[in-house]
Amino acid sequence: GQQVMQIPQYQHVQEGEDFTTYCNSSTTLSNIQWYKQRPGGHPVFLIQLVKSGEVKKQKRLTFQFGEAKKNSSLHITATQTTDVGTYFCAERDAGNNRKLIWGLGTSLAVNP
Amino acid sequence: DAGITQSPRHKVTETGTPVTLRCHQTENHRYMYWYRQDPGHGLRLIHYSYGVKDTDKGEVSDGYSVSRSKTEDFLLTLESATSSQTSVYFCAISPTSETQYFGPGTRLLVL
Repeated sequence: GQQVMQIPQYQHVQEGEDFTTYCNSSTTLSNIQWYKQRPGGHPVFLIQLVKSGEVKKQKRLTFQFGEAKKNSSLHITATQTTDVGTYFCAERDAGNNRKLIWGLGTSLAVNP
Repeated sequence: DAGITQSPRHKVTETGTPVTLRCHQTENHRYMYWYRQDPGHGLRLIHYSYGVKDTDKGEVSDGYSVSRSKTEDFLLTLESATSSQTSVYFCAISPTSETQYFGPGTRLLVL
């Protein structure tokens, strides 16, 4: 069935280092979404990518959608302690467009 | 944050007792979802609704039922709680079935 693989599962960085998480799908995607969940909090929508090769930026966060629309990445430049949390990607379920298929998330820890 | 609340926020109950969690939205969105989140499993869909009285099962629906008698409320019921249902439960809403907005969550402990 349709799957979303997210790597790495965990990442530990020093404050100021860069961080990247990758999301790979078993199917060609119509779009992909990214969410962030702070420890003890709830997932919060960050962005949706739709176009092949699309790149979007939100301050220090850069989101990319692969040319073949089968993968995506989230890159954080110069991490800060406020970036701590789990980052999830999600894609529309091709068999039921009322649902999303979620990656397991990448947990980011930042040492000050 | 989207106008979505969950109640209760925390609950401790005993095995075998019924439990109902409530999700309330002020946005009038059509789609509502119940997820559970457990370490190592990410977000798993329990049930979802695409309108009043229109609901369907997710990937982990066994032991759970839902009801949606009004647009703004989506109830999740554990008919007879088990320890394996100890989890954090999130409700989400969506205007289009794509981008989802989550409530603050309910932490449920079944002893």
